Amino acid sequence: EVQLVESGGGLVQPGESLRLSCAASGFTFSGSWMSWVRQAPGKGLEWVGNIKEDGSEKYYVDSVRGRFTISRDNTKNSLYLQMNSLRVEDTAVYYCARGGTYYIVFWGQGALVTVSS
Amino acid sequence: DVVMTQSPLSLPVTLGQPASISCRSSQSLVHSDGNTYLNWIQQRPGQSPRPLIYKVSNRDSGVPDRFSGSGSGTDFTLKISRVEAEDVGVYYCMQGTHWPPTFGQGTRLEIK
Repeated sequence: EVQLVESGGGLVQPGESLRLSCAASGFTFSGSWMSWVRQAPGKGLEWVGNIKEDGSEKYYVDSVRGRFTISRDNTKNSLYLQMNSLRVEDTAVYYCARGGTYYIVFWGQGALVTVSS
Repeated sequence: DVVMTQSPLSLPVTLGQPASISCRSSQSLVHSDGNTYLNWIQQRPGQSPRPLIYKVSNRDSGVPDRFSGSGSGTDFTLKISRVEAEDVGVYYCMQGTHWPPTFGQGTRLEIK
């Protein structure tokens, strides 16, 4: 059974940092593009970025480029999202997802990040 | 960025009746590799998103055959042949042809 379990969400103040983790199981993690997609409370879906199977390529949307970093550890079947200089508008549920730009095969249950003073 | 426009945004449907959602893109979604990366996603209340349809008309694993996708270029449609109670939720179209991938605003399906 495919599972993606996010952790690390929480409440932070503007300007602070947070790191999300995503533990993957049930599929060949090292053979899969992985992505992060977010959803602000009561709003629609927004792509954050994605990372190639071996971590050699990473892509970000303009709104997070330079502040967020996606990484992975294929030895631990884990995906990460390091978020720096957080803003109020980054408040959202962050979904770890199996798949890349073309389409998402499976979504995690999400981790809530709240940025507020 | 490619703008994805869905209609209607709210869709009340009687159980057992058909439903149809339209999605239009601001640019053609035909990729240079010949594929059209238009996908449909379902999000039931309180749940994470679930893939329904990929590359316009291919159902994801476990998706009932009452769901079908069609379209080409910039105009796409998701159809549900007979709505069931478990279909309640928000439906999103998503394009993966152009960077960054973008989503429609979502269509909320409810039972009338």
